[in-house]
Amino acid sequence: EIVLTQSPGTLSLSPGERATLSCRASQSVSSSYLAWYQQKPGQAPRLLIYGASSRATGIPDRFSGSGSGTDFTLTISRLEPEDFAVYYCQQYGSSQALTFGGGTKVEIK
Amino acid sequence: QVTLRESGPALVKPTQTLTLTCTFSGFSLSTSGMCVSWIRQPPGKALEWLALIDWDDDKYYSTSLKTRLTISKDTSKNQVVLTMTNMDPVDTATYYCARFNMVRGVIIVDAFDIWGQGTMVTVSS
Repeated sequence: EIVLTQSPGTLSLSPGERATLSCRASQSVSSSYLAWYQQKPGQAPRLLIYGASSRATGIPDRFSGSGSGTDFTLTISRLEPEDFAVYYCQQYGSSQALTFGGGTKVEIK
Repeated sequence: QVTLRESGPALVKPTQTLTLTCTFSGFSLSTSGMCVSWIRQPPGKALEWLALIDWDDDKYYSTSLKTRLTISKDTSKNQVVLTMTNMDPVDTATYYCARFNMVRGVIIVDAFDIWGQGTMVTVSS
C-alpha cells in the first residue's frame, strides 16, 4: 500500500501570501492518479486538483498542482480568506487501492 | 445535478454491525467508469478510504479493514450499501460516500469529484 506523507502539518500564513504544500509518496505514483482536496470545518472535502495538475470545475486559478513520481506540490499563489482550510492529497494505484495523506492545515497567522 | 446522500444509524453499540446506505442521483452506476466509494473521518483526524464498487460490480477494500467490510450496489435504486462488522469505539467517525469518476471522455478525472455531506456514527454502549 502506498503511504502519502504531507508536510508541513500546519502552515501559518497571512492572506495574500503564497502557500506551498507537499505530498510525498512511499512509492512512485502515476501523475494521472494524484488528486488534492480542500476541506473546511463541518464540510465534506471538495476536489481541487486531479491528474496532479488539472483544476477541477470552478476552482480558481490561484490553485495549482505539480509534481511527478513520489513528490507532488499544491500551490496557492495568493491566499484568500476562504482558502484557510485543511488540504489532503490522495492517490489511486494498482488494484484500485486508494490512500489519503494525513492533511495539511493552512491557518491564518 | 449530481448528488449523494448517506443514511444510517447515528449510534451503534460495540460488536454490532453497521449498515450505511448511499443514495445518489444525477448519474448511473451502470455507466462505464463510474464508481462509488466510502471514506471515513474520525473527529479531528484525516480521511481514510474504506471501499469502492465500480460499474462492473467489482469491489475493492482497504487492506486493513477488508475482513470487516462489504460493499454492494442496487443499480435500480441508485444505492450503494456498506456494512462494517464488529464495530468498536475507534470506528466512531463521519462516514462519507463519494463518486469516483473514471469515465473515459474528453476530461478524465480519476478522482472523487462529488461527495455526500457525510453521516456521523458514534460507537458506544
